[in-house]
Amino acid sequence: GESVGLHLPTLSVQEGDNSIINCAYSNSASDYFIWYKQESGKGPQFIIDIRSNMDKRQGQRVTVLLNKTVKHLSLQIAATQPGDSAVYFCAENFSGNTPLVFGKGTRLSVIA
Amino acid sequence: NAGVMQNPRHLVRRRGQEARLRCSPMKGHSHVYWYRQLPEEGLKFMVYLQKENIIDESGMPKERFSAEFPKEGPSILRIQQVVRGDSAAYFCASSPPQEETQYFGPGTRLLVL
Repeated sequence: GESVGLHLPTLSVQEGDNSIINCAYSNSASDYFIWYKQESGKGPQFIIDIRSNMDKRQGQRVTVLLNKTVKHLSLQIAATQPGDSAVYFCAENFSGNTPLVFGKGTRLSVIA
Repeated sequence: NAGVMQNPRHLVRRRGQEARLRCSPMKGHSHVYWYRQLPEEGLKFMVYLQKENIIDESGMPKERFSAEFPKEGPSILRIQQVVRGDSAAYFCASSPPQEETQYFGPGTRLLVL
């Protein structure tokens, strides 16, 4: 289930189940979005990206969905594994080489 | 192709000292970004540089903080007269020209005593 801790919301899922992590972005003019995975003590690792002219993009075991109407982004992880346990951040970008704006993050905890 | 390199990985300073953080971007990447992360929070943009130019420093405090990306060598984030509130993880990211995807280094964890 999903709970809100002191700081980061946490999503707990059983190994093998699918995970859905949600993100609300702030700027309706943003045209590029990235999901990053951050493990404890490490830097953010690129997972998948999507441009605003798309509403869905699939990678290996991951799918990103974009709903521009409500400024919502989601990351779906199929057959979640213990190695997927990490904090996941969405980030938005407005056109070209500009700074990323990060969401608050969701901690994914996989129960073996 | 080595990823983004940052050093040191951990840095301990006493209040009033200077902290110097280094970032070597990926090969072929001419754009460098610095972000700061507090525990249990997302990354906050500080400064964006290209070789020998600061493009956007809107996220960097006006005092005590400075950044450079010289023609040769790594990008440097310098924090003078550190205070306890500067304790955080500082991440560097790089991207090639005309590409939005930013690739992050492992970070430098600064602890100010």
